[in-house]
Amino acid sequence: DGGITQSPKYLFRKEGQNVTLSCEQNLNHDAMYWYRQDPGQGLRLIYYSQIVNDFQKGDIAEGYSVSREKKESFPLTVTSAQKNPTAFYLCASSTRQNSPLHFGNGTRLTVT
Amino acid sequence: GQQVMQIPQYQHVQEGEDFTTYCNSSTTLSNIQWYKQRPGGHPVFLIQLVKSGEVKKQKRLTFQFGEAKKNSSLHITATQTTDVGTYFCAGQGGGNKLTFGTGTQLKVEL
Repeated sequence: DGGITQSPKYLFRKEGQNVTLSCEQNLNHDAMYWYRQDPGQGLRLIYYSQIVNDFQKGDIAEGYSVSREKKESFPLTVTSAQKNPTAFYLCASSTRQNSPLHFGNGTRLTVT
Repeated sequence: GQQVMQIPQYQHVQEGEDFTTYCNSSTTLSNIQWYKQRPGGHPVFLIQLVKSGEVKKQKRLTFQFGEAKKNSSLHITATQTTDVGTYFCAGQGGGNKLTFGTGTQLKVEL
């Protein structure tokens, strides 16, 4: 969607490798989020950030890491410690925490 | 922790029929948001409800927030094929945490 760019759309990795998912926004939003979506389930929050250089764990942070060095960027690293990394990953932003979310197009990660 | 459940999980309707999805929270919410996700797409924000008993309409869609602010519903009148997708509610509870429901997948048949 306009304003948030996630890349790539599809990503394939071998088990045991770390992989970083990109998320960039030009909406000047303060808050950014990473969600994971599995078939038949809702969106589960991995990490969120309300301001540059600060972020908090969500409900399923184990095996993931993030950074927020710039307001526009919030990359997510899926580490080898994540036991079931294959999923659809969605990045979102909002003007402030928990105001309506604006989502990117998502990255579908497959780990074999 | 806060849990948000939606029912039904799936709904198949004939075009022109009405559709309703229900959202129930284990805790009182300060507000609730609704999103629509088309097949293969990403969630798109539809509406936010804040007040107890609030009702909002968007064309054929009617959104309601319960009096106790623990439940919400989305009703679509006379469904069209463009309504196909998964509808999610997301409730904001204590600690400003936004929790998504499990979603209701709507299929519309001609």
